[in-house]
Amino acid sequence: QVQLVQSGAEVKKPGASVKVSCKASGYTFTNYYIHWVRQAPGQGLEWMGIINPSGGSTTYAQKFQGRLTMTRDTSTSTVYMELNSLRSEDTAVYYCARGERWLRAVDYWGQGTLVTVSS
Amino acid sequence: NFMLTQPHSVSESPGKTVTISCTRSSGSIASNYVQWYQQRPGSAPTTVIYEDNQRPSGVPDRFSGSIDSSSNSASLTISGLKTEDEADYYCQSYDSSNMVFGGGTKLTVL
Repeated sequence: QVQLVQSGAEVKKPGASVKVSCKASGYTFTNYYIHWVRQAPGQGLEWMGIINPSGGSTTYAQKFQGRLTMTRDTSTSTVYMELNSLRSEDTAVYYCARGERWLRAVDYWGQGTLVTVSS
Repeated sequence: NFMLTQPHSVSESPGKTVTISCTRSSGSIASNYVQWYQQRPGSAPTTVIYEDNQRPSGVPDRFSGSIDSSSNSASLTISGLKTEDEADYYCQSYDSSNMVFGGGTKLTVL
């Protein structure tokens, strides 16, 4: 069965960086795109960007350009999301999610990773 | 970028039918597929409608989706409401370089 398993919760100080992992299983890793979506406490879903695990190409939402980096390791079927220069507004649950077509939709989601930014 | 606007909340009684709207701010609603996700508290979202009106396996046929070009909007209709349908619902679409989510609608079944 398709599974996306994310790394555990993180607590970071303002200005620091966080790197969240998303390990895929149950399907051919390079055949599906991976999105990152975040949700601040009590707020809605916010799309951050997408990576093609096959070639590593990425597209980021304009809001995060310059602060966000997505990478992948095909040997372990893992995608990474790194966000720099953290501020309190980045406190959120970060989800990875799988998509079959570039940008169109997602079908499976990870369990989410809570990132708390606090001094 | 375009925006997707949803009502903040809706409520209805068990057994009734409710419709949640999702209006696209610019560009045609028909130009890119619309998806709908259900999110219960403390859980990740799950898909209830994809490609405007398709239901994933396992989603009951009480859930249906449609688009209306005249109002440039999409709709999620849930018939025969059950208390288990109480959740947040998000519409989602995309353009050439972005995925966009609506702000979400809290459905209360009371």
